Amino acid sequence: QVLFVQSGAEMKKPGASVKVSCHPSGYTFTSHYINWLRQAPGQRPEWMGWINPDNGNTKYSPRFQDRVTITADTFARTVYMELRSLRSEDTAVYYCARVKSTARDDPFDIWGQGTKVTVS
Amino acid sequence: DIVMTQSPDSLAVSLGERATINCKSSQSLLYSYNNKNYLAWYQQKPGQPPRLLIYWTSARQSGVPDRFSGSGSGTDFTLTISSLQAEDVAVYYCQQYYSTPWTFGQGTQVEIK
Repeated sequence: QVLFVQSGAEMKKPGASVKVSCHPSGYTFTSHYINWLRQAPGQRPEWMGWINPDNGNTKYSPRFQDRVTITADTFARTVYMELRSLRSEDTAVYYCARVKSTARDDPFDIWGQGTKVTVS
Repeated sequence: DIVMTQSPDSLAVSLGERATINCKSSQSLLYSYNNKNYLAWYQQKPGQPPRLLIYWTSARQSGVPDRFSGSGSGTDFTLTISSLQAEDVAVYYCQQYYSTPWTFGQGTQVEIK
C-alpha cells in the first residue's frame, strides 16, 4: 500500500522558516515526481513546486520561487519543503502529493495527511 | 497562469438525483500531439486531503464508483454524479496539469437537498 506520512503541526512567528517532511512508502521512491501544495482555510489548493527524487531537479511556482526550497534525501526516502520569511498569510495545511504516473505532467493520486502550519 | 473557474459554487441535490459541476479554463487544456485534455477532478471531505476522482477529463481513478463521470474538451469540462449518495457530500475541485503553475478551480460544495 502506498502511503505518504508528513511531519507534525508547526507554529511559527512571522519572519521565521518552517521545514516540513514527507515520507513515502510502498513504491520505488525515485520513480515518481513529488509535489508540494498548500491549502488555506476555506480556499482551493495551491501548487508550490515539484521535485524529481531521481535527480533532485525542482520547479517552483513563481509565487513561491524566492522563498521555497524542496529537497529529497534518497537514503532516508524523505522529501522536504522549506518555506522562509513566513507571514500570517502562509497559515495553511501543507500537503505533499505524488503524481500518478512516472511522467511529470500528471494529476496527484496519493496525498500526505497534511501538516498544519500556523504563523502568528 | 491558467485560471480555472467552477460553477456553481454550491449545489444541493436530492439523494439519487444527478449533480453536475462545470469547470472552465482560461485557455485550452488540449495537447494536440496526444489529443488529451490535461484536466482532473478531486473530491475533498472535511479534514482530509483531496482525493483524485477523474483524470484526462474522463478516466476514472481506480476505486472510484462509476456514478462519477467526466466530460468536455478544450476549455469546458463537466463532472457528473449520476445518482447522488450521502457519502458524496464534499467539495469538488477541477485542476489543470497542462502547464505550471498547476491550478485548481475555487471548488463546488455539494450537499443533500
